[in-house]
Amino acid sequence: GENVEQHPSTLSVQEGDSAVIKCTYSDSASNYFPWYKQELGKRPQLIIDIRSNVGEKKDQRIAVTLNKTAKHFSLHITETQPEDSAVYFCAASQGGGGNKLTFGTGTQLKVEL
Amino acid sequence: EAQVTQNPRYLITVTGKKLTVTCSQNMNHEYMSWYRQDPGLGLRQIYYSMNVEVTDKGDVPEGYKVSRKEKRNFPLILESPSPNQTSLYFCASSSRGVDTEAFFGQGTRLTVV
Repeated sequence: GENVEQHPSTLSVQEGDSAVIKCTYSDSASNYFPWYKQELGKRPQLIIDIRSNVGEKKDQRIAVTLNKTAKHFSLHITETQPEDSAVYFCAASQGGGGNKLTFGTGTQLKVEL
Repeated sequence: EAQVTQNPRYLITVTGKKLTVTCSQNMNHEYMSWYRQDPGLGLRQIYYSMNVEVTDKGDVPEGYKVSRKEKRNFPLILESPSPNQTSLYFCASSSRGVDTEAFFGQGTRLTVV
């Protein structure tokens, strides 16, 4: 089955700096890679996703890159703000958000003032 | 309002006492899943369902049962709960498709003593 590894487990940055979280996956059949943000005590919510036929996707301050050959994908957050502090999960799937999503172990991002 | 609703939000029970956590979605989604979230382990899929009467095991199905008799409901059943099932549980739903978002319920924190 699919295995998703995520690094780092914790990340502390100064407000305004960039943050990068990296994930690798094992199953070359995976074709959908979402990122979820979970604030303390809340449910995970999708922030950005990418399909395997796309190398990069950007939405304002967040971007995701995908290297299919190397089987890794990354989340980039620029100009970090305190409200970006949360746990971020990457995931991989072969067929959409509900069908056998395999998550990474999460990254606790702390944005310090 | 489009949502996934879980009940109860919090539950403390004793070892061996059968319990059911309910999950309902009002978005007419085909896919529904259950995850458990444990510190350092991320979100692990317990069971998923691709449609009514169609269910399949996820990564950690032992000790759990599910049913999908109606499209909107996907209850999680613990026939004989044990302390190692103490966890935070999330239900999620999504529509059919390659890159569709998984919507999560608000979570159920279960403690088995």
